[in-house]
Amino acid sequence: GENVEQHPSTLSVQEGDSAVIKCTYSDSASNYFPWYKQELGKGPQLIIDIRSNVGEKKDQRIAVTLNKTAKHFSLHITETQPEDSAVYFCAAKGGGGSSNTGKLIFGQGTTLQVKP
Amino acid sequence: DAGVIQSPRHEVTEMGQEVTLRCKPISGHDYLFWYRQTMMRGLELLIYFNNNVPIDDSGMPEDRFSAKMPNASFSTLKIQPSEPRDSAVYFCASSSPGPFYGYTFGSGTRLTVV
Repeated sequence: GENVEQHPSTLSVQEGDSAVIKCTYSDSASNYFPWYKQELGKGPQLIIDIRSNVGEKKDQRIAVTLNKTAKHFSLHITETQPEDSAVYFCAAKGGGGSSNTGKLIFGQGTTLQVKP
Repeated sequence: DAGVIQSPRHEVTEMGQEVTLRCKPISGHDYLFWYRQTMMRGLELLIYFNNNVPIDDSGMPEDRFSAKMPNASFSTLKIQPSEPRDSAVYFCASSSPGPFYGYTFGSGTRLTVV
C-alpha cells in the first residue's frame, strides 16, 4: 500500500525566513497531494493542494512543488510569520485502480515554529 | 455550510464505560472518515465510509471499536468497553466524490479515559 514519509519532524525558523517541508510517496498511481495545517486544539485544515499533472502551484506565500518521477513533493512557505507556527501534514491519494483510491495517506507531520 | 460537526468536544469517562462519538458530515460529501490522533502514532485512519457503506475498517484497533453510518448526515464511533489507552483526539472528516478533493476535518473530540 501507499506510504508517505515526511521530513523534517520539527523545523524552527526566524520570522521572515523561508520554510521547506518535504514528502515522498511510494504509490506511483497517487494523483492528488494536499497539505494540511493543524493549529493547537483544532482539526487539520487544507491549505493547498496539487494534482499529478501539475508541477507547481502557488497561493500567496505558500507554494507546492511535485516531482512525479522522483515521487517527491514539497511545501514552501516564504516570509514566514509567527501565525504560521503549527503542525503541517502532507498527504497522497491513490488514483483509479489503486487500492488507495479515495483514501488519503498522511505523512507523520512537521511541527513548524516561527520565532519572532 | 457549518462544516463537519463533531460532538462532544471533550469526553472524560471511566475505564470500562461505553463512549459514543458523533459526526455530521458536510451535506453532499459521500465519503466519511474517522481518524485517531496521538503524539506517538500521529493520525491513524480507523475506518471510512462511501455512501454510508463501510469500505475499509482495517484501522479499527480491536473489537471494542465499532462505527456506523445509518444515513448520509450522521455517523457514530463507539468504544465499548473503553480503556485508558484509547485516550486520544478523534477526528471525523468528509470529502466530495472524485479523485481531486481533500478532506474537511471536524474540530475533533478529545477523549480521556481514566
